[in-house]
Amino acid sequence: GAGVSQSPRYKVAKRGQDVALRCDPISGHVSLFWYQQALGQGPEFLTYFQNEAQLDKSGLPSDRFFAERPEGSVSTLKIQRTQQEDSAVYLCASSFRSEQYFGPGTRLTVT
Amino acid sequence: GIQVEQSPPDLILQEGANSTLRCNFSDSVNNLQWFHQNPWGQLINLFYIPSGTKQNGRLSATTVATERYSLLYISSSQTTDSGVYFCAVERGPRGSTLGRLYFGRGTQLTVWP
Repeated sequence: GAGVSQSPRYKVAKRGQDVALRCDPISGHVSLFWYQQALGQGPEFLTYFQNEAQLDKSGLPSDRFFAERPEGSVSTLKIQRTQQEDSAVYLCASSFRSEQYFGPGTRLTVT
Repeated sequence: GIQVEQSPPDLILQEGANSTLRCNFSDSVNNLQWFHQNPWGQLINLFYIPSGTKQNGRLSATTVATERYSLLYISSSQTTDSGVYFCAVERGPRGSTLGRLYFGRGTQLTVWP
C-alpha cells in the first residue's frame, strides 16, 4: 500500500502490561513522528526520527515510553507497565520533506 | 510551544450550506496543514498551505502568515464532510529537526441531510 500503516489497530491491555505498537511509514520517507491523541483533543507530539536517529523525544510523557527505528524504516513505540492514563489513540506520521501523512492509528485501552 | 486556536469548536450545517473554519496561531510558522479526521479516526490531508490560497474541489484554504491565521472554506457541504477538522502548524527553520506539528483542538462539523 502507498500509505502509512499501523498495527494493531486496537489493543486492550491490563494495567501493568507492556505493549508494542508498530508503524510502517511510506517508503522513502526519512522523517517519522509519533503522536498521542486523547479523546476530544488534537494529537500531541511524542517523538521524532530522522532515518534511524531519534532527534526529539521531548514529548514522551514518562520513562515508561520508548521508541525505536533501528533500520530507518519501521518504528515501534513501546509502553512499559501501562497505566490507565495511557489510554489514547497513538498516531504515526511520516514525511519526505515537510508535509506529514498519518496512519490510521492504534487505539489503546488500558483496563 | 506555539498556541493554535480553532473556531468555532462545533458547527452544524444542513447539506448544501457553506462554512468557514478559522485557525489562529501565536507565532511565526514554517508550514501549516489542514486535516479532516473522519469518523474512523483517520487523519486525511486536505491542504499543505504555509501561505497563499489553494483550492481543491469544494474546499479551499487561505493562509495569511504575517497575520498568523488560516481559513478553510467548505462550499456546498455534504454529509460526508462530517468529522473533525484540524489545523496544525510547524515551526523551526527549514531543514531543522523541529518538524513536529502543533495541533489545535479542532472544529467538529456535522452536516445533516
